[in-house]
Amino acid sequence: QIQLLQSGLEVKKPGASMKVSCKTSGYTFTSSGISWVRQAPGQGLEWMGWVHTANDNTHYAQKFQGRVTMTRDTSASTVYMELRSLTSDDTAVYYCARDTLGLGFDLWGQGTLIIASS
Amino acid sequence: EIVLTQSPGTLSLSPGERATLSCRASQSVSSSYLAWYQQKPGQAPRLLIYGASSRATGIPDRFSGSGSGTDFTLTISRLEPEDFAVYYCQNYGSSQGYTFGQGTRLEIK
Repeated sequence: QIQLLQSGLEVKKPGASMKVSCKTSGYTFTSSGISWVRQAPGQGLEWMGWVHTANDNTHYAQKFQGRVTMTRDTSASTVYMELRSLTSDDTAVYYCARDTLGLGFDLWGQGTLIIASS
Repeated sequence: EIVLTQSPGTLSLSPGERATLSCRASQSVSSSYLAWYQQKPGQAPRLLIYGASSRATGIPDRFSGSGSGTDFTLTISRLEPEDFAVYYCQNYGSSQGYTFGQGTRLEIK
């Protein structure tokens, strides 16, 4: 079964870091990149960045540069997204999505709710 | 970065009617890298259209995409009850990064 399975809900204090995992299955891990997209409550979609699963290259949205790190573990077919120095504005659902150049984001994880609150 | 502006913000129509959603870019976008997504409450987005006009796997043919340059359109020919949702356009090929429009809410009239 082709799917992306994300880790679960996390509650963090402001200033802390969070790390979300995205385990892929059902397709060749290195054949497509993975992008991360977040959605604050009641808001639209915001692209955060992308990791190339074949060579670990990354491309981050300027807004998150210096605060986000996206990595991959080829042996586990899993991608990780770490976001540091959390504020309440980072409270959102975070999605991973399969990103195959030219084909859009054709497969999405179920989303992970991150709550940043004191 | 390329800014995508969607209109209208909310569209109120009845089942069976035709829906036309617009996405305008702040600068020219390669048609190869313009996508449309549908999102229902509590669900992840679903890819409808990629490359401006190609339907994703399993998407009904009542959904169609068109446009080039800075103006793109998503058309739903005959609305079904399950089509009422929020729709986003996306530019996913720019070296400046990917961007989404702010969304159009399609609601039942």
